[in-house]
Formats: sequence, structure tokens, C-alpha cells
Amino acid sequence: RKEVEQDPGPFNVPEGATVAFNCTYSNSASQSFFWYRQDCRKEPKLLMSVYSSGNEDGRFTAQLNRASQYISLLIRDSKLSDSATYLCVVKGPAGRRALTFGSGTRLQVQP
Amino acid sequence: ETGVTQSPTHLIKTRGQQVTLRCSSQSGHNTVSWYQQALGQGPQFIFQYYREEENGRGNFPPRFSGLQFPNYSSELNVNALELDDSALYLCASSLASGGGDTQYFGPGTRLTVL
Repeated sequence: RKEVEQDPGPFNVPEGATVAFNCTYSNSASQSFFWYRQDCRKEPKLLMSVYSSGNEDGRFTAQLNRASQYISLLIRDSKLSDSATYLCVVKGPAGRRALTFGSGTRLQVQP
Repeated sequence: ETGVTQSPTHLIKTRGQQVTLRCSSQSGHNTVSWYQQALGQGPQFIFQYYREEENGRGNFPPRFSGLQFPNYSSELNVNALELDDSALYLCASSLASGGGDTQYFGPGTRLTVL
């Protein structure tokens, strides 16, 4: 079983749609959680950290459920520029400095 | 931009050869991590260097080795290249601290092994 699992997609949605991505992680001792965005043939870029209380950044909302070991990302009012691969990322436990990435979920926003 | 640079951007090698990839970390960052990203996969952790010492290693064989220099730049060396080593190699720099040390990625080096 992979440490971080994501639905690979692709998710094809029209502009203005709301889309949600889910992710599960296997190590209950994981400490930090992130969503990264990766454009085609580019490096991953931090989109947002994910906190247990949930957090929002403009059109993006991230949620963490530690009991279920589940992370989500909600994108509202999708833009063409949101088309990318979204990587769910986990760090920890303490002392383990590596980031563990899911395989990514591809989003294609269509006009 | 993150301020993390990598060289070269692309590289073609043949099986059995050796390769050295380079990374300059963001100003003020003392930690460099290296990742391998195969096509269609997420990045996989190779190892991390903190203040010139290896500070954690992923599930990669010893032919993957590295260095960090006093200015915190870093090299990744791969010996005896295999076809499966073809991938995007990413370095990420961060400032190690007690809390969350966010990692910022460079643009990567795309290695093709023929």
C-alpha cells in the first residue's frame, strides 16, 4: 500500500465549477500536511499547508481529518489557470524530514 | 520564483555512465533535499543534507550519493546509470527549524538514460 494515495483523475470540469480532491495517508504519526501544485514539466509549488481546523486561501479550502487520515482540497469557481496536477504531501513523523508525495490528481478546466 | 536553481536542465547519458547534478539553495536556507520523479508519479525522496551532513535517506541504492558544500549548495551523484534512472531530479531547499520547514523546489534536471 502506498503511503499517500490519491485518485489520479483526470478531473475534467468546466470553468466556474467546484471540484474536490481527496487523499489518504497511512502513517498515523505524520505531522505536517500540504497540497502542492505541479504544472506540466515544471517543479512542484506549495499551494497551501493543511491544518486540522481547516484553512482557506481565496478559492481554495483544505481540510484534514486525523482520525480518518484523510486530506481534502476544494477549489471553487475553477479557472482555466487551475489546470495542473495537485499533489497531496505528508511529512513526519518527528525526525523524518522527507516529504512523502502522492502520485497526484490531474485537473483540466475547460472553457 | 523560489530562488532555487539547478543545473543542467537536461542531460542525456548512456547506461553505466556516471552523472553529477547540481543545486543552489535559496539564500539563507541550510538544508537541501533531493527527489526523483518518474513520469506519472509523485517525487520520491532520495536524501537530505543539513549543514554538510546526510540527514536522512530514502529507499535508494548506494550508487546514489551526494554532497553539500559550506555555502549549502549540493550535488547529487549517480553511478552506474540504469535505464530506470531516467526521471526528473528535483532539489528542494529549506531552513531547518523545530517546526515546519517548508521545502521550495528548483526547476529540476531531466535525465534521460539510453
